[in-house]
Amino acid sequence: AQKVTQAQTEISVVEKEDVTLDCVYETRDTTYYLFWYKQPPSGELVFLIRRNSFDEQNEISGRYSWNFQKSTSSFNFTITASQVVDSAVYFCALSEGGTGRRALTFGSGTRLQVQP
Amino acid sequence: DTGVSQNPRHKITKRGQNVTFRCDPISEHNRLYWYRQTLGQGPEFLTYFQNEAQLEKSRLLSDRFSAERPKGSFSTLEIQRTEQGDSAMYLCASSFGDGASNQPQHFGDGTRLSIL
Repeated sequence: AQKVTQAQTEISVVEKEDVTLDCVYETRDTTYYLFWYKQPPSGELVFLIRRNSFDEQNEISGRYSWNFQKSTSSFNFTITASQVVDSAVYFCALSEGGTGRRALTFGSGTRLQVQP
Repeated sequence: DTGVSQNPRHKITKRGQNVTFRCDPISEHNRLYWYRQTLGQGPEFLTYFQNEAQLEKSRLLSDRFSAERPKGSFSTLEIQRTEQGDSAMYLCASSFGDGASNQPQHFGDGTRLSIL
């Protein structure tokens, strides 16, 4: 069975602070995909990143960066110099790879509030 | 790319009534998914189509729920004899899948169902 744990329910920071959102996953599959989605107050889930289990390189996209560590089954997300527009609920998700099931297993989300 | 479209945005109905939601995926996407999200939780998988074939159903999908995707285009999700516990946001997502690939799912704005 797959499981995604986001232990941080809510984080509050002041604008321009860096913040890291934690994600720990469990799976018995050797091939899998990890995702991060953002859900702003408007409600639509916005895709941020997909990473497959064979690619452990960290990735940076502007102020966003992701740290994937198979040894600790973690896929953490860091926002550098946070902005008020980053306020949202962030979800980490997992799916099987290969010809396995396509459904996403989501964590319970971390609500990020960035104060001006 | 017009995005995933869901209708209606909101549905309020009395317990025991039947409701039907519609999802129009991104036009070139052959995979379509339904999820349910309750307050403070991550989305939970309900069912998945590849083209017109329903390939997977979650245990959450009781016999009061039925989903169709005629001709592999839009999809409908029907809930019969609604219950209070059906109150949630129903999310539709679509992706392009070819063989073993697991491309990111793109979500619609959802249909919020409220049972009186």
